Amino acid sequence: ETGVTQTPRHLVMGMTNKKSLKCEQHLGHNAMYWYKQSAKKPLELMFVYNFKEQTENNSVPSRFSPECPNSSHLFLHLHTLQPEDSALYLCASSQTGTTSYNEQFFGPGTRLTVL
Amino acid sequence: AQSVSQHNHHVILSEAASLELGCNYSYGGTVNLFWYVQYPGQHLQLLLKYFSGDPLVKGIKGFEAEFIKSKFSFNLRKPSVQWSDTAEYFCAVRNTGNQFYFGTGTSLTVIP
Repeated sequence: ETGVTQTPRHLVMGMTNKKSLKCEQHLGHNAMYWYKQSAKKPLELMFVYNFKEQTENNSVPSRFSPECPNSSHLFLHLHTLQPEDSALYLCASSQTGTTSYNEQFFGPGTRLTVL
Repeated sequence: AQSVSQHNHHVILSEAASLELGCNYSYGGTVNLFWYVQYPGQHLQLLLKYFSGDPLVKGIKGFEAEFIKSKFSFNLRKPSVQWSDTAEYFCAVRNTGNQFYFGTGTSLTVIP
């Protein structure tokens, strides 16, 4: 499979549940990102990993916990979420350190609904 | 704080009309600029990008964008839109720290 894949595509969870979102990139990139996409708001960058090291955490609540075991996989662990966390969560990857191919490639997203 | 502004939130056009979507950013350093498109039910895809050189960039599907450094702008244009161009369009800026900033998006509806 090519590009960036995300599973699951849809997730409904209660506020007391624990779940994880998975992202996998098949592009050989060295950077991966989690974004939150809500209606009428800019994409919100949540976390950035470069070479498996977290380089950015944009004041994201601790109920979101990222994990990057290798440069191809990225997880977002969720626990005790709030209804306002309902959104589309997008994963992206890019190649850093080069000048020609560093745009981000996005996955299809996971539509999360918190009840 | 750095930001990207897309002034048009929702645009409705008839087929064959010309399109221009505005994008302005606030960052004084060197930037890379992008336009992404999200068709209904699909994921974000790159439409075109500017890194350096000719400020007029041509992308896929007849789209182009012009980087005007003095105006901090990167407007997207298409001379004649089609119904299949109905989608959400996002402008994005990457700074020298590899940080990406996206605009709120512009929803384009093309009426056949």
